[in-house]
Amino acid sequence: IVMTQSPATLSVSPGERASLSCRASQSISSNLAWYQRKPGQTPKLLIYGASTRASGIPARFSGSGSGTQFTLTISSLQSEDFAVYFCQQYNNWPPYTFGQGTKLEIK
Amino acid sequence: QLQLQESGPRLVKPLETLSLTCTVSGGSITSGRHFWGWLRQPPGKGLAWIGSIYHSGNTYYNPSLKSRLTISVDTSKNQFSLKVNSVTAADTATYYCSRQTGDGYFDYWGLGTLVTVSS
Repeated sequence: IVMTQSPATLSVSPGERASLSCRASQSISSNLAWYQRKPGQTPKLLIYGASTRASGIPARFSGSGSGTQFTLTISSLQSEDFAVYFCQQYNNWPPYTFGQGTKLEIK
Repeated sequence: QLQLQESGPRLVKPLETLSLTCTVSGGSITSGRHFWGWLRQPPGKGLAWIGSIYHSGNTYYNPSLKSRLTISVDTSKNQFSLKVNSVTAADTATYYCSRQTGDGYFDYWGLGTLVTVSS
């Protein structure tokens, strides 16, 4: 299954809302996870099951979608949210597959 | 807090074997229904799953790499390891180890280690 993320880079001002898209080449039900990666830190699980926040993840992060179209929304961007975000499907494996990532940068 | 750390040579010659070890601390590699996985990201490309292992030794490999892979576990050392045979420049990547849930997503990750294949 091919996972396609858009856009590749998203420029948003702090305090604004950011919406990141992830599309699957075929239906993956709700078996989708979102991760955040920042330089010098381990990747962090944000969302699993398309919409369930992982432990300790702030409520400003939300996930939605099912089937082939998914969205990660960050409601009010904080400085620490500027990072690379990538999605992963775990419905059809092997292999588990990931999107290419979206870089969220400060506008 | 569970922590994972990759270790191993950062430079490997073409056609030789890439070997990495992941040391797990803050928890036991035998606890729960978790798998332990390896992933990699070549420069400028997306993340790719390499394979996973259960503490019993059951392994699951990416079909595209299966013929060159060995993943093993050492429960006495709380470690699991990756070997990739006959490497080429295409195997140059940042390699991550991770804990994988029974559902299939990855909830804890190492920092990653860049391995370069070059003579």
